[in-house]
Amino acid sequence: QQQVKQSPQSLIVQKGGISIINCAYENTAFDYFPWYQQFPGKGPALLIAIRPDVSEKKEGRFTISFNKSAKQFSLHIMDSQPGDSATYFCAAIGNNAGNMLTFGGGTRLMVKP
Amino acid sequence: KAGVTQTPRYLIKTRGQQVTLSCSPISGHRSVSWYQQTPGQGLQFLFEYFSETQRNKGNFPGRFSGRQFSNSRSEMNVSTLELGDSALYLCASSLYGREGTDTQYFGPGTRLTVL
Repeated sequence: QQQVKQSPQSLIVQKGGISIINCAYENTAFDYFPWYQQFPGKGPALLIAIRPDVSEKKEGRFTISFNKSAKQFSLHIMDSQPGDSATYFCAAIGNNAGNMLTFGGGTRLMVKP
Repeated sequence: KAGVTQTPRYLIKTRGQQVTLSCSPISGHRSVSWYQQTPGQGLQFLFEYFSETQRNKGNFPGRFSGRQFSNSRSEMNVSTLELGDSALYLCASSLYGREGTDTQYFGPGTRLTVL
Protein backbone atom coordinates (compact mmCIF):
# COMPACT_ATOMS: atom_id res chain seq x y z
CA GLN A 1 0.00 0.00 0.00
CA GLN A 2 1.58 3.22 -1.18
CA GLN A 3 0.96 5.77 1.52
CA VAL A 4 2.71 8.64 -0.26
CA LYS A 5 1.94 9.18 -3.94
CA GLN A 6 4.30 11.32 -5.99
CA SER A 7 3.89 12.86 -9.43
CA PRO A 8 5.11 13.23 -12.07
CA GLN A 9 7.46 10.28 -12.47
CA SER A 10 9.67 12.32 -14.76
CA LEU A 11 10.00 15.99 -15.55
CA ILE A 12 11.93 17.97 -18.14
CA VAL A 13 12.40 21.68 -17.53
CA GLN A 14 14.38 24.34 -19.34
CA LYS A 15 17.16 26.11 -17.49
CA GLY A 16 15.72 28.99 -15.53
CA GLY A 17 12.25 27.46 -15.38
CA ILE A 18 10.25 26.28 -12.39
CA SER A 19 10.15 22.61 -11.51
CA ILE A 20 7.11 21.44 -9.57
CA ILE A 21 6.75 18.04 -7.96
CA ASN A 22 3.61 16.99 -6.12
CA CYS A 23 2.93 14.52 -3.34
CA ALA A 24 -0.20 13.31 -1.59
CA TYR A 25 -0.45 11.26 1.57
CA GLU A 26 -3.13 9.22 3.27
CA ASN A 27 -1.92 8.66 6.81
CA THR A 28 -3.02 11.53 9.05
CA ALA A 29 -0.45 10.43 11.63
CA PHE A 30 2.32 11.77 9.43
CA ASP A 31 3.76 14.90 11.01
CA TYR A 32 7.01 15.61 9.20
CA PHE A 33 7.55 15.83 5.46
CA PRO A 34 11.11 15.91 4.09
CA TRP A 35 12.27 16.03 0.49
CA TYR A 36 15.35 14.16 -0.61
CA GLN A 37 17.56 14.62 -3.64
CA GLN A 38 19.47 11.70 -5.10
CA PHE A 39 22.20 11.78 -7.72
CA PRO A 40 23.27 8.63 -9.59
CA GLY A 41 25.58 6.48 -7.50
CA LYS A 42 24.79 8.40 -4.33
CA GLY A 43 22.42 7.97 -1.43
CA PRO A 44 19.52 10.40 -0.95
CA ALA A 45 20.36 13.69 0.75
CA LEU A 46 17.93 15.85 2.71
CA LEU A 47 16.97 18.94 0.72
CA ILE A 48 14.27 20.66 2.74
CA ALA A 49 11.53 19.63 5.16
CA ILE A 50 8.27 20.94 6.60
CA ARG A 51 5.85 20.28 9.42
CA PRO A 52 2.07 20.46 8.86
CA ASP A 53 1.60 23.53 11.05
CA VAL A 54 3.39 25.57 8.38
CA SER A 55 1.92 26.18 4.93
CA GLU A 56 5.14 27.11 3.18
CA LYS A 57 8.87 26.87 3.73
CA LYS A 58 11.54 28.38 1.53
CA GLU A 59 15.26 27.69 1.44
CA GLY A 60 17.09 29.39 -1.37
CA ARG A 61 15.59 28.27 -4.68
CA PHE A 62 13.62 25.45 -3.03
CA THR A 63 10.12 25.94 -1.60
CA ILE A 64 7.73 23.45 -0.03
CA SER A 65 4.02 24.25 -0.12
CA PHE A 66 1.82 22.28 2.27
CA ASN A 67 -1.97 21.86 2.23
CA LYS A 68 -2.99 19.98 5.35
CA SER A 69 -6.71 19.74 4.56
CA ALA A 70 -6.00 18.26 1.14
CA LYS A 71 -3.17 16.11 2.49
CA GLN A 72 -0.91 17.33 -0.28
CA PHE A 73 2.48 18.98 -0.45
CA SER A 74 4.73 20.06 -3.26
CA LEU A 75 8.29 21.05 -4.03
CA HIS A 76 9.00 24.06 -6.21
CA ILE A 77 12.48 24.58 -7.63
CA MET A 78 12.83 28.13 -8.88
CA ASP A 79 15.35 29.10 -11.56
CA SER A 80 16.08 25.43 -12.22
CA GLN A 81 19.69 24.65 -13.17
CA PRO A 82 21.26 21.70 -15.00
CA GLY A 83 22.96 20.80 -11.71
CA ASP A 84 19.50 20.23 -10.23
CA SER A 85 19.06 17.23 -12.54
CA ALA A 86 18.52 14.36 -10.11
CA THR A 87 15.81 12.16 -8.69
CA TYR A 88 13.65 13.78 -6.02
CA PHE A 89 11.75 11.89 -3.36
CA CYS A 90 9.11 13.23 -1.05
CA ALA A 91 8.76 11.38 2.23
CA ALA A 92 6.76 11.37 5.42
CA ILE A 93 7.31 10.27 8.96
CA GLY A 94 4.74 9.85 11.67
CA ASN A 95 4.35 10.13 15.40
CA ASN A 96 6.02 7.38 17.35
CA ALA A 97 7.47 5.94 14.16
CA GLY A 98 11.07 6.48 15.16
CA ASN A 99 13.05 7.10 12.05
CA MET A 100 10.83 5.21 9.63
CA LEU A 101 10.53 7.23 6.44
CA THR A 102 7.74 6.44 3.98
CA PHE A 103 8.88 7.57 0.54
CA GLY A 104 7.01 8.60 -2.57
CA GLY A 105 7.88 6.88 -5.83
CA GLY A 106 10.37 9.52 -6.96
CA THR A 107 10.56 12.07 -9.77
CA ARG A 108 13.43 12.09 -12.22
CA LEU A 109 14.13 15.72 -13.08
CA MET A 110 16.12 16.76 -16.09
CA VAL A 111 16.97 20.43 -16.54
CA LYS A 112 17.97 21.23 -20.09
CA PRO A 113 20.61 23.94 -20.66
CA LYS B 1 33.53 14.31 9.77
CA ALA B 2 33.39 11.17 7.67
CA GLY B 3 30.01 10.30 6.20
CA VAL B 4 28.09 7.04 6.39
CA THR B 5 30.14 4.24 4.87
CA GLN B 6 28.78 1.00 3.50
CA THR B 7 30.69 -2.10 2.53
CA PRO B 8 30.89 -3.69 0.14
CA ARG B 9 29.71 -1.28 -2.55
CA TYR B 10 28.90 -4.05 -5.00
CA LEU B 11 28.02 -7.68 -4.46
CA ILE B 12 26.99 -10.53 -6.74
CA LYS B 13 25.41 -13.63 -5.24
CA THR B 14 23.42 -16.59 -6.49
CA ARG B 15 19.96 -17.68 -5.43
CA GLY B 16 19.86 -19.53 -2.15
CA GLN B 17 23.00 -17.94 -0.77
CA GLN B 18 23.09 -15.54 2.13
CA VAL B 19 24.70 -12.13 2.34
CA THR B 20 25.83 -9.70 5.03
CA LEU B 21 26.06 -5.97 4.42
CA SER B 22 27.84 -3.56 6.71
CA CYS B 23 27.18 0.05 7.65
CA SER B 24 29.34 2.42 9.67
CA PRO B 25 27.36 5.46 10.80
CA ILE B 26 28.67 8.96 11.26
CA SER B 27 30.70 9.19 14.45
CA GLY B 28 28.40 9.86 17.40
CA HIS B 29 25.22 8.78 15.65
CA ARG B 30 23.22 6.18 17.51
CA SER B 31 20.42 5.43 15.11
CA VAL B 32 20.89 3.34 11.98
CA SER B 33 18.13 2.60 9.49
CA TRP B 34 18.18 0.37 6.44
CA TYR B 35 16.24 0.84 3.23
CA GLN B 36 15.86 -1.19 0.05
CA GLN B 37 15.71 0.71 -3.24
CA THR B 38 14.43 -0.95 -6.42
CA PRO B 39 13.08 0.50 -9.68
CA GLY B 40 9.73 -1.20 -9.13
CA GLN B 41 9.09 -0.66 -5.43
CA GLY B 42 11.11 2.48 -4.83
CA LEU B 43 12.57 3.16 -1.41
CA GLN B 44 11.22 0.89 1.30
CA PHE B 45 12.07 0.85 4.99
CA LEU B 46 13.59 -2.36 6.29
CA PHE B 47 14.38 -1.70 9.94
CA GLU B 48 15.89 0.75 12.39
CA TYR B 49 18.28 0.16 15.24
CA PHE B 50 18.92 2.48 18.13
CA SER B 51 21.38 1.69 20.89
CA GLU B 52 21.64 -1.94 19.75
CA THR B 53 17.85 -2.47 19.85
CA GLN B 54 15.56 -2.86 16.87
CA ARG B 55 13.08 -0.03 17.19
CA ASN B 56 11.04 -0.38 14.01
CA LYS B 57 10.62 -2.99 11.32
CA GLY B 58 9.17 -2.71 7.84
CA ASN B 59 7.10 -5.26 5.93
CA PHE B 60 9.84 -7.60 4.82
CA PRO B 61 10.05 -11.38 5.32
CA GLY B 62 12.06 -12.87 8.14
CA ARG B 63 14.88 -13.62 5.72
CA PHE B 64 15.90 -10.01 6.26
CA SER B 65 17.51 -9.39 9.61
CA GLY B 66 19.89 -6.94 11.16
CA ARG B 67 21.81 -6.04 14.23
CA GLN B 68 23.67 -3.14 15.74
CA PHE B 69 26.86 -3.28 17.72
CA SER B 70 27.89 -1.25 20.76
CA ASN B 71 29.89 1.12 18.54
CA SER B 72 26.67 1.76 16.51
CA ARG B 73 27.94 -0.06 13.45
CA SER B 74 25.21 -2.14 11.90
CA GLU B 75 24.92 -5.18 9.71
CA MET B 76 22.01 -6.54 7.77
CA ASN B 77 21.71 -10.13 6.64
CA VAL B 78 19.61 -11.65 3.92
CA SER B 79 19.33 -15.41 3.92
CA THR B 80 18.16 -17.71 1.11
CA LEU B 81 18.53 -15.01 -1.51
CA GLU B 82 15.89 -14.66 -4.20
CA LEU B 83 16.15 -12.91 -7.57
CA GLY B 84 13.82 -10.21 -6.27
CA ASP B 85 16.30 -9.27 -3.57
CA SER B 86 18.46 -7.58 -6.20
CA ALA B 87 18.47 -3.96 -5.12
CA LEU B 88 20.43 -1.05 -3.74
CA TYR B 89 20.54 -1.34 0.03
CA LEU B 90 20.91 2.00 1.76
CA CYS B 91 21.92 2.70 5.29
CA ALA B 92 21.10 5.97 7.04
CA SER B 93 22.31 7.27 10.36
CA SER B 94 21.13 10.01 12.66
CA LEU B 95 22.04 11.30 16.06
CA TYR B 96 19.03 10.27 18.11
CA GLY B 97 16.69 8.75 15.59
CA ARG B 98 13.79 11.14 15.41
CA GLU B 99 13.32 12.80 12.07
CA GLY B 100 12.73 16.47 12.55
CA THR B 101 15.00 16.59 15.51
CA ASP B 102 17.97 15.28 13.62
CA THR B 103 18.59 14.57 9.97
CA GLN B 104 19.10 11.13 8.49
CA TYR B 105 22.30 10.92 6.48
CA PHE B 106 22.38 8.21 3.84
CA GLY B 107 25.37 6.21 2.71
CA PRO B 108 26.08 5.46 -0.97
CA GLY B 109 24.50 2.03 -0.70
CA THR B 110 25.46 -1.53 -1.50
CA ARG B 111 24.34 -2.74 -4.92
CA LEU B 112 23.33 -6.41 -4.55
CA THR B 113 22.76 -8.50 -7.64
CA VAL B 114 21.28 -11.98 -7.25
CA LEU B 115 21.79 -14.35 -10.18
